[in-house]
Amino acid sequence: EDQVTQSPEALRLQEGESSSLNCSYTVSGLRGLFWYRQDPGKGPEFLFTLYSAGEEKEKERLKATLTKKESFLHITAPKPEDSATYLCAVRYSGAGSYQLTFGKGTKLSVIP
Amino acid sequence: DTAVSQTPKYLVTQMGNDKSIKCEQNLGHDTMYWYKQDSKKFLKIMFSYNNKELIINETVPNRFSPKSPDKAHLNLHINSLELGDSAVYFCASSPRQGASGNIQYFGAGTRLSVL
Repeated sequence: EDQVTQSPEALRLQEGESSSLNCSYTVSGLRGLFWYRQDPGKGPEFLFTLYSAGEEKEKERLKATLTKKESFLHITAPKPEDSATYLCAVRYSGAGSYQLTFGKGTKLSVIP
Repeated sequence: DTAVSQTPKYLVTQMGNDKSIKCEQNLGHDTMYWYKQDSKKFLKIMFSYNNKELIINETVPNRFSPKSPDKAHLNLHINSLELGDSAVYFCASSPRQGASGNIQYFGAGTRLSVL
């Protein structure tokens, strides 16, 4: 069973059409939930860290929220340059304290 | 100024060969990592070193051997390459445990193709 599950696997949006990406996790003792953005041919780029349920972080058109078992990445009025794969990862007390466990990502395509 | 740099960016080689990938970070971080991203884009930890000491060693064939000459460098040596080793390998680094939420910063990746 995957410890971190992201949905949908792929999402196509028209420019300006807001939506949300989901990341659910089954681990206990969460020490942090991380969102990364990955462009084709590049390494993941850090976006946000969330630590406790109810926490929210914002950056431009992106807003990340956290509940006890999932996180959402809300994209408001997306632009074509927001097209990328968005990765969710967790750090938890059951694993090495340095270790991140990643989901398989959501590939977002924003059509002009 | 590239924070985490990997070389080479592309590596094409024959089965059975031995190859190395180099990684350097100029962020002053104590911890470095190697990840493998397969064809389905799933990113999975392979190794982690903290201040030149191995702290994570996931179930990886012993043909893979990390080497950390100093805390700014973590190289990956792969012996007797197999077709299944074809993937993108990412190096990452992070501050020491407890600092800045352990945000990991990634290199651009090395695309390894084994023919």
